[in-house]
Amino acid sequence: NAGVTQTPKFQVLKTGQSMTLQCAQDMNHEYMSWYRQDPGMGLRLIHYSVGAGITDQGEVPNGYNVSRSTTEDFPLRLLSAAPSQTSVYFCASRRVGTNEKLFFGSGTQLSVL
Amino acid sequence: AQTVTQSQPEMSVQEAETVTLSCTYDTSENNYYLFWYKQPPSRQMILVIRQEAYKQQNATENRFSVNFQKAAKSFSLKISDSQLGDTAMYFCAFMKNYGQNFVFGPGTRLSVLP
Repeated sequence: NAGVTQTPKFQVLKTGQSMTLQCAQDMNHEYMSWYRQDPGMGLRLIHYSVGAGITDQGEVPNGYNVSRSTTEDFPLRLLSAAPSQTSVYFCASRRVGTNEKLFFGSGTQLSVL
Repeated sequence: AQTVTQSQPEMSVQEAETVTLSCTYDTSENNYYLFWYKQPPSRQMILVIRQEAYKQQNATENRFSVNFQKAAKSFSLKISDSQLGDTAMYFCAFMKNYGQNFVFGPGTRLSVLP
């Protein structure tokens, strides 16, 4: 099983550019989420979804958009990249209504110059 | 809202020794789950151990064990017989019972020295 697949693994953007981070899972998980990891701050939730057509904001949603048109995919869009969005981004999924762990993708290192 | 604190930004331990990583949390929930995740230099997030709050017995997984003190809201991770491969960032995380979102602590960077 592939699990949670994130692309790209690395990306460099210029301030003001837009891009989409891709995330797909093949475990039929209802819950999908995006976190950003910054030194000394752990992982902070950006957006999450509990099913197709349902999304909600997390702790740090500003500057990011998401959509969930299918169970498998949950892309994260940066509309106008800023240096403050330089971070490592993780997509994670799990089954709703359980107490099981979060399954993580391999992460995306994003640098905004 | 729940918060998770890890008061040790960095720690080091000699190979084969034992080390304990601290985690405290704040919640008004009675039923919840606590997790320790390991992030080696590969950046992969790996579940180390999970504890259910309603279970008094501390969870163990091979060389990894926890000291769960519910009244004190403390959840420390003990690594016995430390190995070089244990070098990683360790994150403590909280999830309320049948909740959706995890809350992570800031992490502790552990270095195992030869």
